[in-house]
Amino acid sequence: QSALTQPASVSGSPGQSITISCTGTSSDVGGYNYVSWYQQHPGKAPKLMICEVSNRPSGVSNRFSGSKSGNTASLTISGLQAEDETDYYCASYTTNSTSYVFGTGTKVTVL
Amino acid sequence: EVQLLESGGGLVQPGGSLRLSCAASGFTFSSYAMSWVRQAPGKGLEWVSGITGRGITTYYADSVRGRFTISRDNSKNTLYLQINSLRAADTAVYFCAKGARPSILGAFDIWGQGTMVTVSS
Repeated sequence: QSALTQPASVSGSPGQSITISCTGTSSDVGGYNYVSWYQQHPGKAPKLMICEVSNRPSGVSNRFSGSKSGNTASLTISGLQAEDETDYYCASYTTNSTSYVFGTGTKVTVL
Repeated sequence: EVQLLESGGGLVQPGGSLRLSCAASGFTFSSYAMSWVRQAPGKGLEWVSGITGRGITTYYADSVRGRFTISRDNSKNTLYLQINSLRAADTAVYFCAKGARPSILGAFDIWGQGTMVTVSS
């Protein structure tokens, strides 16, 4: 089972919006609404930002939003802030032999 | 406070074994699936294994199936990962993660701080 495909890096200026893509197949992203997104600062545990494609857990800023079209899910960060500069990973349930799969990860840089 | 605390990591020789533990507190442990996720130094996240809330069904990544065994003791609120036949490629921080549902379908809403496993001679 290959990892879901994310861009290696995305950048934006403070206040701008950026979107991170996460491309899979019909066996994972495209077939189920069990896509989630995680933020991970260096040396720290990941933090859940979005679950089930577009649901935001309690306490997560409403600047983070998720969506899906076909086999590609997306995370949008609006009103980009310096504190958003870190790594982001998508994940999805999959019907392949490996039951869960993460994305390759995206480093967000705030210019 | 909901908390996960991993232990059991360390330095082990190739071919060796370790048992990782994850002590849970602050929630009804048996009501949620649990998973192990690892991260090799400087690399991305890799889902390793999962187990349903009642411990009936287990799941494994292809890379560890046959070498790793996940289990849980709901009476002790503890998750385990028995890792055998260790390889250099298994060197990573191993995170324990709480699922948002009893089944494996849910996202991982709570994470431990991780325990480091280093495989080296």
